[in-house]
Amino acid sequence: EIVLTQSPATLSLSPGERATLSCRASQSISSYVAWYQQKPGQAPSLLIYDASNRATGIPARFSGSGSGTDFTLTISNLEPEDFAVYYCQQRGSWSSTFGQGTKLEIK
Amino acid sequence: QVQLVQSGAEVKKPGASVKVSCQVSGYSLTAFSIHWVRQTPGKRLEWMGGFVPEDGEIIYAQKFKGRVTMTEDTSTDTAYMQLSSLRSEDTAVYYCAIGSYGGWYFDLWGRGTLVTVSS
Repeated sequence: EIVLTQSPATLSLSPGERATLSCRASQSISSYVAWYQQKPGQAPSLLIYDASNRATGIPARFSGSGSGTDFTLTISNLEPEDFAVYYCQQRGSWSSTFGQGTKLEIK
Repeated sequence: QVQLVQSGAEVKKPGASVKVSCQVSGYSLTAFSIHWVRQTPGKRLEWMGGFVPEDGEIIYAQKFKGRVTMTEDTSTDTAYMQLSSLRSEDTAVYYCAIGSYGGWYFDLWGRGTLVTVSS
């Protein structure tokens, strides 16, 4: 099973700042990574797929990059509604796993 | 507008089975690839299985093989996930989700069904 490790576990920033979240895979997964945002009491929502493509309706301040084993989600100019938990997901060979999440909190 | 409507919360005893439903509202189930993901009390997300368009069949995560069965009733546009031999570690919120962008990224989710396993 491919293991995804996210860092940091918690990131404390202020609105208007830039957030950089990391996701590392235990083996190469090409660009088959997605990022999700989850707010309390809600299901996760898709932000980025195939490492760098924004899902429909996602603002341009969300961007993804990376390939192989190292991936990054960048949120520029943080808005108050961006403070949430973020998960990465990989789609391997007929299987999928998620990272353990990064909590983005208001400083 | 497509929605996924899940069944209500369940409380089960260890060793029992649970069957969670997910009805596609506003469209035909056959148009979608339905997956199941659970979220543990510690907030970890676990993919359990789903329909893979490339294979045309439902596949299961290794961890749940032998205990999980996913089915679909196209006459009612409803997908089902049955998990057997329940144990306390199966206490979680179970989500159905639609796989898009090739079938493996989940861009529409149900609201979740809480399953509590307790003696």
